[in-house]
Amino acid sequence: DIQMTQSPASLSASLEEIVTITCQASQDIGNWLAWYQQKPGKSPQLLIYGATSLADGVPSRFSGSRSGTQNSLKISGLQVEDIGIYYCQQASSAPYTFGTGTKLELK
Amino acid sequence: QVQLKESGPGLVQPSQTLSLTCTVSGFSLTSYSVHWVRQHSGKSLEWMGRMWSDGDTSYNSAFTSRLSISRDTSKSQVFLKMNSLQTEDTGTYYCARNSGGSYFDYWGQGVMVTVSS
Repeated sequence: DIQMTQSPASLSASLEEIVTITCQASQDIGNWLAWYQQKPGKSPQLLIYGATSLADGVPSRFSGSRSGTQNSLKISGLQVEDIGIYYCQQASSAPYTFGTGTKLELK
Repeated sequence: QVQLKESGPGLVQPSQTLSLTCTVSGFSLTSYSVHWVRQHSGKSLEWMGRMWSDGDTSYNSAFTSRLSISRDTSKSQVFLKMNSLQTEDTGTYYCARNSGGSYFDYWGQGVMVTVSS
């Protein structure tokens, strides 16, 4: 199975700050990478797919990038509604695996 | 609009079988795959398996032969059956629609399942 190593595990940031979360795959997954946001008590929501494509309705302050097997999610100007847990997921091959999550809190 | 809703028992006894239903609306099961994903409390997400739009199925080998996914297209329902439940199977179970590529673009609200005697 492909392992997804996500960092940091938790992150505290101020409003309007730029936040970056990274996800390292254990093998080449190409652009087959998604990012999800999960708010407390809610289902995950797709933010980014194909490593860099923004899902429908997702604010443009969210962006994804890839360099080799490392992927990053960037929030350009943190907002209150961005607080939650973020997960990466590889869609390259089954079983589709997720990162361990990054808990984003407001400083 | 696209909706998925899981239903099933909240409490299952150890060694028994879990049966969950995912009822979808706003799209056809013959056009989109539906996945099952599990989340242990406070933990990450675990892909369990998939019902393809053509009726085929794929499973995570971590569940060996315990897991079965089926569907009834006339009722727009996808079913999950998992036997030999243990306490480690406690968690929230989600069904999710597959978008292009194996991404999950719409999720159900989830159903919390507790395995306990």
